[in-house]
Amino acid sequence: QSALTQPRSVSGSPGQSVTISCTGTSSDVGDYNFVSWYQQHPGKAPKLMIYDVTRRPSGVPDRFSGSKSGDTASLTISGLQADDEADYYCCSYAGSYTWVFGGGTKLTVL
Amino acid sequence: EVQLLDSGGGSVQPGGSLRLSCVASGFALSSYASSWVRQAPGKGLEWVSGISGSGDTTSYADSVKGRFTISRDIPKNTLFLQMNSLRTEDTAVYYCAKALYGGMDDWGQGTLVTVSS
Repeated sequence: QSALTQPRSVSGSPGQSVTISCTGTSSDVGDYNFVSWYQQHPGKAPKLMIYDVTRRPSGVPDRFSGSKSGDTASLTISGLQADDEADYYCCSYAGSYTWVFGGGTKLTVL
Repeated sequence: EVQLLDSGGGSVQPGGSLRLSCVASGFALSSYASSWVRQAPGKGLEWVSGISGSGDTTSYADSVKGRFTISRDIPKNTLFLQMNSLRTEDTAVYYCAKALYGGMDDWGQGTLVTVSS
């Protein structure tokens, strides 16, 4: 049950694109197409942004997209906006109703 | 509308116990898996425990195995987390969440557990 690996921080200017990586193992990210991404603003509960690697819940802008290759998943945010500044966490299903989160990435919009 | 209302947090001494509750509305707990996720002050999210929709499978993070127990009251549509032998490192905001394999799509507002002497 080791945490997935994310960069501690990323940054970008308004209108630019940023990509956050999430590296797991063949027992979690690499074994299941069940990777999700969460946005968390300070003092708030996490919000689901991407599920099943690439799917967006209703209401999430299409500026948010997800992908996966092998043991690494990625979240790309295009057309950065000020309100995108938040912490982002990846999560993977790991079998038998267990999940594992990444350590989180702080996104700064310059 | 799906809502999750978690409660039961508070301050407790090391070695003590607490029982967290999460009242679900807008969906049936028996139809979906559920999870507890925690966040220590200034730290990231940590999955703590999960239960299948049928209730026949429960799971725990290694950090809480043998000390925490997840359960449900289906008629009351309520999820619980019984926490025993609490340690200072269990101090965190605890969230309940409706869990699909591919993501947790609804979350409670969180309840703060503080373990301190």
